[in-house]
Amino acid sequence: GENVEQHPSTLSVQEGDSAVIKCTYSDSASNYFPWYKQELGKRPQLIIDIRSNVGEKKDQRIAVTLNKTAKHFSLHITETQPEDSAVYFCAAITYNAGNMLTFGGGTRLMVKP
Amino acid sequence: EPEVTQTPSHQVTQMGQEVILRCVPISNHLYFYWYRQILGQKVEFLVSFYNNEISEKSEIFDDQFSVERPDGSNFTLKIRSTKLEDSAMYFCASSETVSNQPQHFGDGTRLSIL
Repeated sequence: GENVEQHPSTLSVQEGDSAVIKCTYSDSASNYFPWYKQELGKRPQLIIDIRSNVGEKKDQRIAVTLNKTAKHFSLHITETQPEDSAVYFCAAITYNAGNMLTFGGGTRLMVKP
Repeated sequence: EPEVTQTPSHQVTQMGQEVILRCVPISNHLYFYWYRQILGQKVEFLVSFYNNEISEKSEIFDDQFSVERPDGSNFTLKIRSTKLEDSAMYFCASSETVSNQPQHFGDGTRLSIL
């Protein structure tokens, strides 16, 4: 089955700096890669996603890149703000295989004001 | 914006008892899921459900677990005889279709087994 590894497990940045979180996946058939933000005690909230036919996607301060050959994808947050502090999870899914999301271990991002 | 809703928000149950966790997926969504998250750990897939039958299930989803769509709006997860290790946050999610559509999560039910 799919295995998703995520690094780093914790990341502390100064407000205004950029943050990068990296994930690797094992199943070359995986074709959809969402990122979720989870604040303490709350639901995972989809913040951006990328499909396997796209190499990069951007939404305001958030961008995701995908390298299918290397089987890794990354989340980039620019101009970080204190409200970006949360746990971020990457995930991978292989459609037509039950649609199960396989999550990475999570990255606790702390943005210091 | 439509949301997945879950009830109850917190369930406390004695070990060995049955629990039913309830979810109302987003109305035009066709695929439904249950995930769980043990405190401090990552989210783990339990089961996916489509067209009134299980599409995929993980190793966690053993014979103690079952899912049902009893009517046109609810989607339930039943744990027949709870164990201490079932204590976790259980999230329901739904997606519009099969292909490349995001899964939207509910707020979760915190299940505490005593």
